Amino acid sequence: AQSVTQLGSHVSVSEGALVLLRCNYSSSVPPYLFWYVQYPNQGLQLLLKYTSAATLVKGINGFEAEFKKSETSFHLTKPSAHMSDAAEYFCAVSDTGNDMRFGAGTRLTVKP
Amino acid sequence: GAVVSQHPSWVICKSGTSVKIECRSLDFQATTMFWYRQFPKQSLMLMATSNEGSKATYEQGVEKDKFLINHASLTLSTLTVTSAHPEDSSFYICSAKKGLFHDTQYFGPGTRLTVL
Repeated sequence: AQSVTQLGSHVSVSEGALVLLRCNYSSSVPPYLFWYVQYPNQGLQLLLKYTSAATLVKGINGFEAEFKKSETSFHLTKPSAHMSDAAEYFCAVSDTGNDMRFGAGTRLTVKP
Repeated sequence: GAVVSQHPSWVICKSGTSVKIECRSLDFQATTMFWYRQFPKQSLMLMATSNEGSKATYEQGVEKDKFLINHASLTLSTLTVTSAHPEDSSFYICSAKKGLFHDTQYFGPGTRLTVL
């Protein structure tokens, strides 16, 4: 069964610094990979997704992620953090779009 | 767009009562909807998958008789927590897919259930 591991339950960066949130996946077939963001007491908002097209995926709010099959990774990056980026980020994997499995989440804190 | 709504956004009930949560796709038809449960500071756990007009498929360990799911139309799915107990208190989130082979799930804002 597919699964994802998010390295680091909490990441803290300064405003303007690079954001790097790590995600490694396990899947027996070419997966669909997703990054979602969750603000307190809200649902999940899709940041970006990988569906076997370009390996570098650009999402909303300046985020992007690169699919690296050899490393089974799908890390999320943003060149310059904003205070509004502070939230919980979830990586998810799916074989079919139905069986989505989420990582444990990474809480991003942005310091002024 | 792909907007999913949930109602209510929060609910408090007494132990032993039943609570119904609605999930609606506002601007698309959702052939498949999903129900997740999220405990504080934890990830989402899939509870069940429902397809319009058919019985829901529950994940292992989820009680079918406790968490009743009805997907009566292409825009509405409901989750009823029957005979709720304090341990059922949680954040319940639904999601929906636009089509059978569509890859992306669009999530609702969630419903916080507190059982006293």
